[in-house]
Amino acid sequence: DVKVTQSSRYLVKRTGEKVFLECVQDMDHENMFWYRQDPGLGLRLIYFSYDVKMKEKGDIPEGYSVSREKKERFSLILESASTNQTSMYLCASSPPQQGSYEQYFGPGTRLTVT
Amino acid sequence: TQLLEQSPQFLSIQEGENLTVYCNSSSVFSSLQWYRQEPGEGPVLLVTVVTGGEVKKLKRLTFQFGDARKDSSLHITAAQPGDTGLYLCANQPMTTDSWGKLQFGAGTQVVVTP
Repeated sequence: DVKVTQSSRYLVKRTGEKVFLECVQDMDHENMFWYRQDPGLGLRLIYFSYDVKMKEKGDIPEGYSVSREKKERFSLILESASTNQTSMYLCASSPPQQGSYEQYFGPGTRLTVT
Repeated sequence: TQLLEQSPQFLSIQEGENLTVYCNSSSVFSSLQWYRQEPGEGPVLLVTVVTGGEVKKLKRLTFQFGDARKDSSLHITAAQPGDTGLYLCANQPMTTDSWGKLQFGAGTQVVVTP
């Protein structure tokens, strides 16, 4: 059974803190993605990675960075958390471009920045 | 960037009723995916439609892809409380370097009450 896990389901941080969100997949997928999900806005792509140590900006990368040192792990970093980064963060993975582009999602991390 | 518009934003119905949700774009879809996101979980793929005019059935769910590949609908017959969730449509961008990226609509929140 395919599995994408995220390190925390709920997280509360203070403004200015450095925040790490971890994502691990056990499907040997090349592609990994980080989204944020806000009511009425759907899923917006922050960053994605198509290989180890490779990363590309998505639609809303400002205020975020990522790290992919191993194929199975993709980390999202908030260098200095701000209240407007309060959101649901979803990680996903997918195999190389073959056919359906199905993405497999983790359960999400609900981050609150106070 | 292709804009995916989903309607309605919210739908509340009684168990046993039928419902239809829509996904539209001003541009042609290369292919279209429907995901369902249950509370507290990440989205899960329901179906991918590729060919204009295509109809796919998944138990009580019927998915249609418009002839011009600019719109799609999801029809649920005799809805059950287990159908409650956020229904998202997603499209593969028509670029050569998409790396498996998807663009998501804002979703339709469906609530089915017993």
